[in-house]
Amino acid sequence: QSALTQPPSASGSPGQSVAISCTGTSGDVGGYNYVSWYQQHPGKAPKLMIYEVSKRPSGVPDRFSGSKSGNTASLTVSGLQAEDEADYYCSSDAGSDTWVFGGGTKLTVL
Amino acid sequence: EVQLVESGGGLVQPGGSLRLSCAASGFTFRTYWMRWVRQAPGEGLVWVSHINDDGSRTTYADSVRGRFTISRDNAKNTLYLQMNSLRVEDTAVYYCARGNYRALDSWGQGTLVTVSS
Repeated sequence: QSALTQPPSASGSPGQSVAISCTGTSGDVGGYNYVSWYQQHPGKAPKLMIYEVSKRPSGVPDRFSGSKSGNTASLTVSGLQAEDEADYYCSSDAGSDTWVFGGGTKLTVL
Repeated sequence: EVQLVESGGGLVQPGGSLRLSCAASGFTFRTYWMRWVRQAPGEGLVWVSHINDDGSRTTYADSVRGRFTISRDNAKNTLYLQMNSLRVEDTAVYYCARGNYRALDSWGQGTLVTVSS
């Protein structure tokens, strides 16, 4: 149950696009199409942004998109806005009803 | 509106026990699997435990297996986490979350557990 690997930080200017990676193994990210992404603002509960690699829950702007290649998943935020500044976490099924999260990425809007 | 409200957190000495509760409303609780996730101060999210919809199947992170027990009472729409043999490193905000599409689509506000002498 090792944590997935995310870059500690990412940044971009308003209107730009930024991608956050999430690297695991064939036992988690690479083995299942059950990667999800969560946004967390300081002092708040996490919010689901992407599920099943690339699907968006109702109410999540289409500026947020997800993808996966091999053992690495990615979250892309297009048209960056000030309110996108937050921590982002990926997670993945790891088999037998176990789960693993990434270490988190702090997204800064410059 | 889906609501999850955790309670039961507080200060406990190492080796002590605590029972967290998560009261669910606004959805048919008995049809959803549920999870506990924790976050130590200034740290990231960590999955703690999973329980299926009828409570017949549970799983745990290696760090808590044998010390924590997840359970649910579908008649009371409540999820529980019994935490025994608590360690300093268990200090965290504990969130309950609803499972849907193999993701966690609704989260509570969290309850803080502090393990300290």
